[in-house]
Parts: sequence; structure tokens; C-alpha cells
Amino acid sequence: GESVGLHLPTLSVQEGDNSIINCAYSNSASDYFIWYKQESGKGPQFIIDIRSNMDKRQGQRVTVLLNKTVKHLSLQIAATQPGDSAVYFCAENIPGMAGTALIFGKGTTLSVSS
Amino acid sequence: GAVVSQHPSWVICKSGTSVKIECRSLDFQATTMFWYRQFPKQSLMLMATSNEGSKATYEQGVEKDKFLINHASLTLSTLTVTSAHPEDSSFYICSARIPLPGTDTQYFGPGTRLTVL
Repeated sequence: GESVGLHLPTLSVQEGDNSIINCAYSNSASDYFIWYKQESGKGPQFIIDIRSNMDKRQGQRVTVLLNKTVKHLSLQIAATQPGDSAVYFCAENIPGMAGTALIFGKGTTLSVSS
Repeated sequence: GAVVSQHPSWVICKSGTSVKIECRSLDFQATTMFWYRQFPKQSLMLMATSNEGSKATYEQGVEKDKFLINHASLTLSTLTVTSAHPEDSSFYICSARIPLPGTDTQYFGPGTRLTVL
């Protein structure tokens, strides 16, 4: 029979556009959030992080916004380039438990066309 | 950022054999490492938390006798898939956390693609 898998949301943009990738996290107690980029066949690569006492953090071409009221996280990529094409995951950390792993979101596939 | 390596990067094995995957932290000591499994077009699923010098903590539904984890040193954790079957074919990824106060960032290895025939 036909197999059914989970389909990651896809965002398609033109080179040079700004991209916004959204993520809803699950636990209101989470105190630390990370965005990872994963290219095909590779492990996740750290992009940017933010702690819960902040609502915005900027890096090189990337900005992370945190809205704790609605448990929402977003990643903004300025002047998107073809090399930005990948799957992007948000991850949250729940405090108070030593050695806990990150909880990953489902991921968004970013496709950049030139 | 910190560097985490995995070996091998890919492996093909026959059904019923065992496969060992190594995860190393190259420029820092990691008291805790994590093992994830990722199926195509899906997110990372935590399998177990590997603690140096003690038993690993497995997530619900992960068979500890099938997925043996050994964290014998501060820079090396191994995952052995015993009696592998085709349904174990997946992308296995490890990560390590830098053991500093206030540091929660995890750095990931490049992953190991396991194909069981």
C-alpha cells in the first residue's frame, strides 16, 4: 500500500526576498530556544538562539522573535540566498531537568529560487 | 561553535547484523550526549540521553536492548543497533551539550545514514 508520512510545511521565496519562518512551541516553561538549519543528508546546524527573557535577537542576516504570550517563535532571514535553501527547525529547552534534550518542532522547508 | 563528529557517515548492512555508530566531541568534553533518529521528511526524534559513566536514559518506546548506548569517556558515545532490520533504516544523529553553566546549546554531528537490507 501507499505509505503516508508527515509533510513539512514549505516556504518558497525568490532570491533577495526576506523570509519568515514560524514555529509554535509547546511548553510555557521553556526558557531557551534555538533555530537550526538542516541541509539534505547533514546534521542540524546552529543558526541563532534566544532566551525567554528576551523578545528579539539579531545575528548576521537573521533575526529571531519570541512571543511568549502566544508561545510563538519566528526566524527572519534577510536577503535570502539560494544557499539558505534547507529545512529549518525550532527547538525548545525545558528548564529544571539536568541533561534534558531539546524538543524539536516539525520543521519548515525553505526553497529559494534565483 | 563546538565540533561533533560521527563515524561512519553511512553504512549498509544485512538484516540481523549489528552496527556501531560513534559520536565524538572534538574540542570539548561532553558529560551528556543525545541520540536522535530522523526518518525522511520528518523531524528529529529523541531516542536516548547518554550520560558519561552511567546508564543511558531511553525515551518511551525505544528498546534499550536493541539500541545499546555506551558513553565511556567524556568525548565519546556509541550507539549500537543490534540485530538490525530494514525498519531500523534511518538517519541517526547525535548531539552534545557544552557543560558550562547557562549554556544549553547543543551541537549536532553530521549524522549516520543506516540502510539495512
